[in-house]
Amino acid sequence: AQSVTQLDSHVSVSEGTPVLLRCNYSSSYSPSLFWYVQHPNKGLQLLLKYTSAATLVKGINGFEAEFKKSETSFHLTKPSAHMSDAAEYFCVVTQSNYQLIWGAGTKLIIKP
Amino acid sequence: GAGVSQSPSNKVTEKGKDVELRCDPISGHTALYWYRQSLGQGLEFLIYFQGNSAPDKSGLPSDRFSAERTGGSVSTLTIQRTQQEDSAVYLCASSLGTSWEQYFGPGTRLTVT
Repeated sequence: AQSVTQLDSHVSVSEGTPVLLRCNYSSSYSPSLFWYVQHPNKGLQLLLKYTSAATLVKGINGFEAEFKKSETSFHLTKPSAHMSDAAEYFCVVTQSNYQLIWGAGTKLIIKP
Repeated sequence: GAGVSQSPSNKVTEKGKDVELRCDPISGHTALYWYRQSLGQGLEFLIYFQGNSAPDKSGLPSDRFSAERTGGSVSTLTIQRTQQEDSAVYLCASSLGTSWEQYFGPGTRLTVT
């Protein structure tokens, strides 16, 4: 069975500094991987997805993630944090043609 | 266009009562999914509909939980004899066909007192 581990429950960065949210996965086959963002009192939004094409995936709002099979990682990065990035981020791996296995989430805090 | 909508947005109920949660998917989306998000956790899959049938109910935690979908559109998740451990945010998503690319509603926050 597939699983996903988000290594930090909270990450705090200053505005304008880089963001790194870490995700490791376990899969018995080549999975598809996603990052979703959940802003307070708003629905989940797909940030980006990896589906076995390019290993460096660009998403919305300047975020990107790199699929590293050797490290079983799919870390999310952004060069410069903005106050509006404050939210909870979820790393997700596919288990079947529709089942998604979710990490526990990382809360990103942006300090002014 | 309109996204996935859910109602109510918040529900407080007493232990032992039944509750119904509603999901209106995006028009034309044939697949619909229910998830539960407990505090500090990721989403937990409950049930999946393709049209009006539910080929996968494997995530329903007990027989107190049931769901139906009518007209290939609106879905209702019913929890009977609610327990305190049922307190969570219940999320609905829909997709165009069976797909990982799912669009989520804002959720219903259920509190069982």
